[in-house]
Amino acid sequence: GAGVSQSPSNKVTEKGKDVELRCDPISGHTALYWYRQSLGQGLEFLIYFQGNSAPDKSGLPSDRFSAERTGGSVSTLTIQRTQQEDSAVYLCASSEGQGGLYEQYFGPGTRLTVT
Amino acid sequence: KQEVTQIPAALSVPEGENLVLNCSFTDSAIYNLQWFRQDPGKGLTSLLLIQSSQREQTSGRLNASLDKSSGRSTLYIAASQPGDSATYLCAAYTDKLIFGTGTRLQVFP
Repeated sequence: GAGVSQSPSNKVTEKGKDVELRCDPISGHTALYWYRQSLGQGLEFLIYFQGNSAPDKSGLPSDRFSAERTGGSVSTLTIQRTQQEDSAVYLCASSEGQGGLYEQYFGPGTRLTVT
Repeated sequence: KQEVTQIPAALSVPEGENLVLNCSFTDSAIYNLQWFRQDPGKGLTSLLLIQSSQREQTSGRLNASLDKSSGRSTLYIAASQPGDSATYLCAAYTDKLIFGTGTRLQVFP
C-alpha cells in the first residue's frame, strides 16, 4: 500500500518568509511524528500527534515552529519567519499507535533551504 | 536524558565480508530499539525493531541484538553486498525515538 508521503520534496525560501510542509501518513495510522535532520545535528524529534490527544511539542526549537493535524490524518508543519539555521531535511513518520510496540514508517522528507 | 552513540562513524569493506555495527544508549529504560537504513537524499527505511523484552531479531542477512542491561545493540550484516551501502541509524524509544548519528557503510566490489 501507499507509504508516508511529503510535499514539497524541495523548498527554497528567503529568510524571513513563512513555509508550510505537508505530511500524508499511512492510512489508518493514528500516530504521526515530525523530525528534522541537519548537518552536524543528526536526526532530532520535533513533535508528535497521537489520535485526539494533545500533541507532544517538546522538541520544537522555537515558537516560530508549529504543527497541526487535521481530521487525524494530514499534518502541516509551519515555520514562520524562517532563518538560515532552519535549513534541514524535515522528515515525517507515522505508526499504527503510539508507544514502543509500533514501528515508525518514514516519508522521503522535505529539503528546506533558507537563503 | 537519553543519548545514543554509534560506532564506527564510517566503515568501508569489500563485498562478502560479515560486519557488525554498534549502537549504545545511556538510559536502559527503553521500550524498543529500531534500526534504520538511509540512502543518500532519501528517507529512512525500517530494518528491524527489537522490543525491550526481546534479545534479537532477524531479517534475511540482517540480525540485530539487544542487551538492555549494558545499553547496547548490534546490527550484524552477513555476506555484505554493494547494495548494502548506506547510512545505518539506530534509535532508542522511550517516550520518543532518539537517534544515533549513524554509521556510513560502503561495500565495494
